[in-house]
Amino acid sequence: EIVMTQSPATLSASPGERATLFCRASQSITTNLAWYQQIPGQAPRLLIYGASTRATGIPARFSGGGSGTEFTLTISSLQSEDFAVYYCQQYNNWPPRTFGQGTKVEI
Amino acid sequence: QVHLVQSGAEVKEPGASLSVSCKTSGYTFTDYSIHWVRQAPGQGLEWMGWVSPHSGVTNYAQKFQGRVTMARDTSINTAYLELNSLSFDDSAVYFCARDRDISPFDYWGQGTLVTVS
Repeated sequence: EIVMTQSPATLSASPGERATLFCRASQSITTNLAWYQQIPGQAPRLLIYGASTRATGIPARFSGGGSGTEFTLTISSLQSEDFAVYYCQQYNNWPPRTFGQGTKVEI
Repeated sequence: QVHLVQSGAEVKEPGASLSVSCKTSGYTFTDYSIHWVRQAPGQGLEWMGWVSPHSGVTNYAQKFQGRVTMARDTSINTAYLELNSLSFDDSAVYFCARDRDISPFDYWGQGTLVTVS
């Protein structure tokens, strides 16, 4: 089973600041990595797939990078609606489809 | 447009079974797999397993094997999750989500809250 590890657990930032979230896989997953955003009380929303491709309708301030075992999600300028929990997920080697434990981006 | 609409909240006693449905629309049901993911209160996302609407093949996370069943009804474009022998630890929001081959979950259901009490 591939273990996904996210850091930090919580990121405190102000609107307008840049935020970078990290995700590490326990073995290579090439670029088969997705990022999801979850606002409390809602279902997760796909942000990024293929490590760096934005999903339909996702603003350009969200960008993803990395390959192999190390990945990043960057929000270039935090907006009020971006304060949420972010999860990475690998879909390269499954089952199981594994998620990271999440990073909470808070004001 | 694509929609996955889940059944409503449930309250169950320990030892009972839960049953959640996921009705899909806006796409060809048999072209995409349906996965089930759950989220305990204040916790992260936990993958439970998947069902292929095309073939009916299933695969379950080891943690749930023996007490979970995932199924589908292609006549009404609906997938189902059943989990037996519930304990308090099974209290969670249960989500369905779709994917296609080696791909992420691009659409999700709204979630179904199941409380074991």
